[in-house]
Amino acid sequence: ELKVEQNPLFLSMQEGKNYTIYCNYSTTSDRLYWYRQDPGKSLESLFVLLSNGAVKQEGRLMASLDTKARLSTLHITAAVHDLSATYFCAVDTRGSNYKLTFGKGTLLTVNP
Amino acid sequence: EAGVTQSPTHLIKTRGQQATLRCSPISGHTSVYWYQQALGLGLQFLLWYDEGEERNRGNFPPRFSGRQFPNYSSELNVNALELEDSALYLCASSLVLAGGPTRTDTQYFGPGTRLTVL
Repeated sequence: ELKVEQNPLFLSMQEGKNYTIYCNYSTTSDRLYWYRQDPGKSLESLFVLLSNGAVKQEGRLMASLDTKARLSTLHITAAVHDLSATYFCAVDTRGSNYKLTFGKGTLLTVNP
Repeated sequence: EAGVTQSPTHLIKTRGQQATLRCSPISGHTSVYWYQQALGLGLQFLLWYDEGEERNRGNFPPRFSGRQFPNYSSELNVNALELEDSALYLCASSLVLAGGPTRTDTQYFGPGTRLTVL
């Protein structure tokens, strides 16, 4: 069964600093997703990574995918308070048993 | 364009009762997914409906069931409620495109229904 592991689970950082969240998964998959969840809110889609070597950037967030290592990273550049949220990676399984399997999430707190 | 909608926002039930949660997908989306987000357990896949049929279900007992209507909206029913069913239930919808490496059936999530079982 597909397992998705994120680390760290908790991340407290200062504004202006850089950091990386890691997402490892256990079996081959075509696509990896990153979502953001604010407290009490639903999930917002951030990135879809479709192939090995894929890199996507939006503002201060950049996501990459290495399918051979089964690893995705979400890099935060010069963090600001507005980025405080929980970030989830999710991996899908193909075919008739299609579903998204989520990591446990990384709770990011950006302090002034 | 309207997003995924869910109702009710909050639902309070007692143990043993039944709960019905509703979801309307984004217009044009045929697939609906249900997830449970319980404290400490993360997001767990419950059910996937597409074109009115259940396509896959997660590791949940049969008292979790649902259906998808001809207009692609969906209902999640939870029978014989237990205390541990208290959670945020999220619905998502997506397009299911024909095969190919660039299909992007990203799931878009609704605001959720907070179910509390007393």
